[in-house]
Amino acid sequence: DTAVSQTPKYLVTQMGNDKSIKCEQNLGHDTMYWYKQDSKKFLKIMFSYNNKELIINETVPNRFSPKSPDKAHLNLHINSLELGDSAVYFCASSQGVPMIPGELFFGEGSRLTVL
Amino acid sequence: GENVEQHPSTLSVQEGDSAVIKCTYSDSASNYFPWYKQELGKGPQLIIDIRSNVGEKKDQRIAVTLNKTAKHFSLHITETQPEDSAVYFCAAPWAGSYQLTFGKGTKLSVIP
Repeated sequence: DTAVSQTPKYLVTQMGNDKSIKCEQNLGHDTMYWYKQDSKKFLKIMFSYNNKELIINETVPNRFSPKSPDKAHLNLHINSLELGDSAVYFCASSQGVPMIPGELFFGEGSRLTVL
Repeated sequence: GENVEQHPSTLSVQEGDSAVIKCTYSDSASNYFPWYKQELGKGPQLIIDIRSNVGEKKDQRIAVTLNKTAKHFSLHITETQPEDSAVYFCAAPWAGSYQLTFGKGTKLSVIP
């Protein structure tokens, strides 16, 4: 059984379009994340969502918005896609609580290509 | 936020040799230091971590050492095997937070 699953695995789209990536975890974790990995393999956190608390990395454009229908899901919506949004996006979850980081469980990634 | 520097960016070793990857961090209040391994086409996976109350931790062929005074920690892999080839990331948390900042990664190649 896949612990953290994200769909789609590959996404090719035109500039200016709006797209979504879905993420689900079956680990019962309280916290979910979205990370962006660029072509140089740099991993940067975009968002974390713990119960009702959303923490946003200040460098993330507001074209990106996370949506969590419930504790097991954290979807990523991207509006007005730009070429620089091309990357691999990883969803992750953890049982970390404030002040005590825990192990991150990553999905397999969603490769977004913007043409 | 935390600033994590990782070196080297690439590392090639002969099978059976040891590999060492080093990271420094900026926030002296950081108390948790994990290492993740990312194989091609996969998400990163935790391989070992250390908390600030110990200086070293070992798990079979991998070990992590921590020097809190100097604010650096290292990953040691002994008797390397081809399946150790991957990208390795160190990380440290933002102070008072569960969020991790990752180093820029080290691509390790083990040559048979």
